[in-house]
Amino acid sequence: GAGVSQSPSNKVTEKGKDVELRCDPISGHTALYWYRQSLGQGLEFLIYFQGNSAPDKSGLPSDRFSAERTGGSVSTLTIQRTQQEDSAVYLCASSLWTSGGAGEQYFGPGTRLTVT
Amino acid sequence: GQQVMQIPQYQHVQEGEDFTTYCNSSTTLSNIQWYKQRPGGHPVFLIQLVKSGEVKKQKRLTFQFGEAKKNSSLHITATQTTDVGTYFCAGRHSGYSTLTFGKGTMLLVSP
Repeated sequence: GAGVSQSPSNKVTEKGKDVELRCDPISGHTALYWYRQSLGQGLEFLIYFQGNSAPDKSGLPSDRFSAERTGGSVSTLTIQRTQQEDSAVYLCASSLWTSGGAGEQYFGPGTRLTVT
Repeated sequence: GQQVMQIPQYQHVQEGEDFTTYCNSSTTLSNIQWYKQRPGGHPVFLIQLVKSGEVKKQKRLTFQFGEAKKNSSLHITATQTTDVGTYFCAGRHSGYSTLTFGKGTMLLVSP
């Protein structure tokens, strides 16, 4: 594909249920990021994958959040026992990796999660 | 954790007026990137600054990186309604791999 894709685009779930959000990065991009954006707010870093290195999980807000990246490509963000405060747009981004570090990030359209 | 402060949070201008948003970090940045997010859209990369004192221009947009590599600004000359959106800076702190995003400046332009 031409860009980063995410699915689903919208997800409504009941409090306490688990959800999985998917991200397909741009082919060849070794770095993949997950962010959370609440209404009218900035981007909150969640987790970062780079190649085969251990992911940087420092932004995950609680142990209910986890993510994995299979085969260095597709990534899934899982939220267990969802809470109303988890409602937000979850954005995925990918980038090439250069000698200077992460390059420009290409964002997907996001998944809007609503927890009722 | 690392932080990047961005001001103002919001600005409303008349079409044709200039606009500036500022980012500041308490520690040195390896580089800084700027993104624009249109209402209902996702962030789109605008530019990256790497060198101390660097200035880059894109048509009516001028980006600056401070001499100490701790601050940056984006200036838009003669705003147009198409400039509406939220502008984010994102800095990579020395020794870190990830970017820290500022909270963004929402720009509203009235015709």
